[in-house]
Amino acid sequence: QTVVTQEPSFSVSPGGTVTLTCGLSSGSVSTSYYPTWYQQTPGQAPRTLIYSTNTRSSGVPDRFSGSILGNKAALTITGAQADDESDYYCVLYMGSGISVFGGGTSLTVL
Amino acid sequence: EVQLVQSGAEVKKPGESLKISCKGSGYSFTSYWIGWVRQMPGKGLEWMGIIYPGDSDIRYSPSFQGQVTISADKSISTAYLQWSSLKASDTAMYYCARLPGGAYSGFDYWGQGTLVTVSS
Repeated sequence: QTVVTQEPSFSVSPGGTVTLTCGLSSGSVSTSYYPTWYQQTPGQAPRTLIYSTNTRSSGVPDRFSGSILGNKAALTITGAQADDESDYYCVLYMGSGISVFGGGTSLTVL
Repeated sequence: EVQLVQSGAEVKKPGESLKISCKGSGYSFTSYWIGWVRQMPGKGLEWMGIIYPGDSDIRYSPSFQGQVTISADKSISTAYLQWSSLKASDTAMYYCARLPGGAYSGFDYWGQGTLVTVSS
């Protein structure tokens, strides 16, 4: 089975910009994988940030943006804030109605 | 307002059966796929499978095929996740979530989660 890869952890300074990526163990990510990004803080249900590569979910501030960078999907956070400290997960659509989560990235803002 | 309300926490013994639920409201339940996601303690999210309540089309992740059963009762706008024989390794938080588009789309609205604990 194809593995969806994410950086296990990342750090960003308050006010800084960070780009998290979502790749494949084999092959390149394209818009055909409909990359979706979720944010999860401890003890809470996930929150949808971005779907279909670059469409922000309702209520998500525009400092969160999605794109394809090279052969990966990317989530960029500009002007990082303390409450952006969370786990971030991507999901890629593999076809036949099946999707796969990446392992998640733990983002620290310090 | 779209809402997904899940059933309460469960404590079960290995070998027991279990069915947890996810009730949708505020939208046309039969027109959107509903999915289930597992999160084991201290671990990441895992995509389990989805169901289209309109015609009960179901898609399972290969990792969960044969391990769980996904179903829905459209008459009461409720989706289900069930086990016939629980194992300790089924201990996890389980979330349901709605897909706003086709099966390819990500989830938009999430339930609050159901904690399942399996212990002898």
